[in-house]
Amino acid sequence: AQKVTQAQTEISVVEKEDVTLDCVYETRDTTYYLFWYKQPPSGELVFLIRRNSFDEQNEISGRYSWNFQKSTSSFNFTITASQVVDSAVYFCALSEAGSGSARQLTFGSGTQLTVLP
Amino acid sequence: EPEVTQTPSHQVTQMGQEVILRCVPISNHLYFYWYRQILGQKVEFLVSFYNNEISEKSEIFDDQFSVERPDGSNFTLKIRSTKLEDSAMYFCASRRSRSYEQYFGPGTRLTVT
Repeated sequence: AQKVTQAQTEISVVEKEDVTLDCVYETRDTTYYLFWYKQPPSGELVFLIRRNSFDEQNEISGRYSWNFQKSTSSFNFTITASQVVDSAVYFCALSEAGSGSARQLTFGSGTQLTVLP
Repeated sequence: EPEVTQTPSHQVTQMGQEVILRCVPISNHLYFYWYRQILGQKVEFLVSFYNNEISEKSEIFDDQFSVERPDGSNFTLKIRSTKLEDSAMYFCASRRSRSYEQYFGPGTRLTVT
């Protein structure tokens, strides 16, 4: 069965610092998808990024970057020059392709990021 | 930009009552999901729905729960006899065919008293 672990329950940084959120996953499937979602205090879940298991190229998008390492089953997320508006709970999630067409998400327990002014 | 909508935003009900939570997925999406998040905890999968039938469900989704797509736009989650432990935020999500990212609605906070 699939599992996602986010060992960091809470992180606090001061504005403009860089911060990395860790995610480790377990799956038996050879094809799977990894996601990061953001949950601001208002409560909605906002999709940020998806990565396929066969694409280990890391990416930078503005202040966000992702580090996907299959060898260590990790999918870490970095915010550069953090801002107060980045304060939210960040969830890492996994979807296995082998689960048929459903592709439901398995979420980690989330990391509460607080960016202090 | 199209988005998933959910009503009501907050529902308070008494234990043993039936509740129906409503969702309008994004119009060209074909796969629909319900998830639950108990306060302060992780988001948990409940059920997925495709082609007018349940495609997968979790252990949480027992006989007290049911889903329906009563028309071409709505997708509902019914809890027949609510329990205190059903108090949670319920999220609806949808995705396109041949896509992997799911887009979530704003959630319905269910409070069972």
